[in-house]
Amino acid sequence: ELKVEQNPLFLSMQEGKNYTIYCNYSTTSDRLYWYRQDPGKSLESLFVLLSNGAVKQEGRLMASLDTKARLSTLHITAAVHDLSATYFCAVAKSGGSNYKLTFGKGTLLTVNP
Amino acid sequence: EAGVTQFPSHSVIEKGQTVTLRCDPISGHDNLYWYRRVMGKEIKFLLHFVKESKQDESGMPNNRFLAERTGGTYSTLKVQPAELEDSGVYFCASSQGLGYTFGSGTRLTVV
Repeated sequence: ELKVEQNPLFLSMQEGKNYTIYCNYSTTSDRLYWYRQDPGKSLESLFVLLSNGAVKQEGRLMASLDTKARLSTLHITAAVHDLSATYFCAVAKSGGSNYKLTFGKGTLLTVNP
Repeated sequence: EAGVTQFPSHSVIEKGQTVTLRCDPISGHDNLYWYRRVMGKEIKFLLHFVKESKQDESGMPNNRFLAERTGGTYSTLKVQPAELEDSGVYFCASSQGLGYTFGSGTRLTVV
C-alpha cells in the first residue's frame, strides 16, 4: 500500500524567512503533485513533477523530486503572509488507466508579519 | 473555463438520514474522482469514473455509499443511512491528462 508522509504538519514562519516542506512516499510512483488549499476553498494545483531531478518554480515556491530517495520538497523563499494556507503533496500511481492520488496529511503554513 | 462545481457546500443531517452530494466536472473531462477528508486525517480516494463507468471503487467505505454518473456528465454520491463517522469534507475532481481540478468540497456533518 502506497503511503505518503508529509512533514512538518504545522509550520509557523516569519515573513522573509525560508523553509522547506518534505514529502516522502513508500513505493515507486508515476507523478507527484503539490496543492495549496485556502480555508473552505478547492485544492489549487501548484506543481506536477514527473521525473527524477525535476525542479519547478513559481514565484516564492520551488518544488523538486528525487525518485531514488522517494522524496519531494517544497521550498519557500522569503515567505509572505499571502502564502499562509495548507499545502498537500499527493502521489499518483497508475493502476491500468486509473491514476488515483494518495495524499499526505497536509502542512498548515502560517506566515506571521 | 468553468471549474468543478460541488453542491451543496455544507450539509448537516441527522444520523440515519440520507444525503446526496453532487459534482459537476469540467465539461469534456472523462475522468471523475471522489475523495474524502475526515477531520484530522488524510484526503482519501473513494472512487473513479471514466465517463459513466466505475473504474475503481476500492476506496468506498461500505455499501451505505452509492455513486453514480449517469450519461458520463455530473456525478452524485449518496450516503444512506448516514452515520456519525461519515462526517468530513467530500471532494470531487475531474481530469483529462496530467492535471486534476478539484471542487471546493461538500462539508458533511452528521449529528
